[in-house]
Amino acid sequence: AQTVTQSQPEMSVQEAETVTLSCTYDTSESDYYLFWYKQPPSRQMILVIRQEAYKQQNATENRFSVNFQKAAKSFSLKISDSQLGDAAMYFCAYRSGPRGANSKLTFGKGITLSVRP
Amino acid sequence: DTAVSQTPKYLVTQMGNDKSIKCEQNLGHDTMYWYKQDSKKFLKIMFSYNNKELIINETVPNRFSPKSPDKAHLNLHINSLELGDSAVYFCASSQDRGTGAQYFGPGTRLLVL
Repeated sequence: AQTVTQSQPEMSVQEAETVTLSCTYDTSESDYYLFWYKQPPSRQMILVIRQEAYKQQNATENRFSVNFQKAAKSFSLKISDSQLGDAAMYFCAYRSGPRGANSKLTFGKGITLSVRP
Repeated sequence: DTAVSQTPKYLVTQMGNDKSIKCEQNLGHDTMYWYKQDSKKFLKIMFSYNNKELIINETVPNRFSPKSPDKAHLNLHINSLELGDSAVYFCASSQDRGTGAQYFGPGTRLLVL
């Protein structure tokens, strides 16, 4: 079974600075997807970024980028130019690839990010 | 337009009651899911349907019964509610079984008294 570990329960960043959120996972599969979701106080789950395991290039979405290290099974999220609206809980999630019958998301425990003005 | 919607957003009820949560998606996706988020914010899959067919059924008490009348709707019925059922329940959908990100509804906060 796959597991996702987010070992830091909380992090804080100064507005306009950069912060990196860590995530590691364990799997025996070679084809899979990784995601970061954001959950602000409104509790809505918002997709931030996704990465296909077969792609070597790290995904980027505006101020959000990932550092995907497949051999190390590491998938960290970097937020540049942090904004007050980035304050939220962030979840790392794993999903089996297309050949896997199991399409569920397996989530880490989440990390609470606060942004200092 | 709301992509994945759930009703109700809040549900307060007594132990032993039966309740339903409804979910609808207008994204044209063919796979839908129910997740439970507990008091520690941990998210766990409960069920998944693909084109009205049940494809994931995690270890969930049989008091919980999902129903999918069509691929745009996935409802969750809970019988004999217990205190431990208090949680936030999220519906989600994705394009197909094996690929694509999942898009979540706003969640339903259930409180069992």
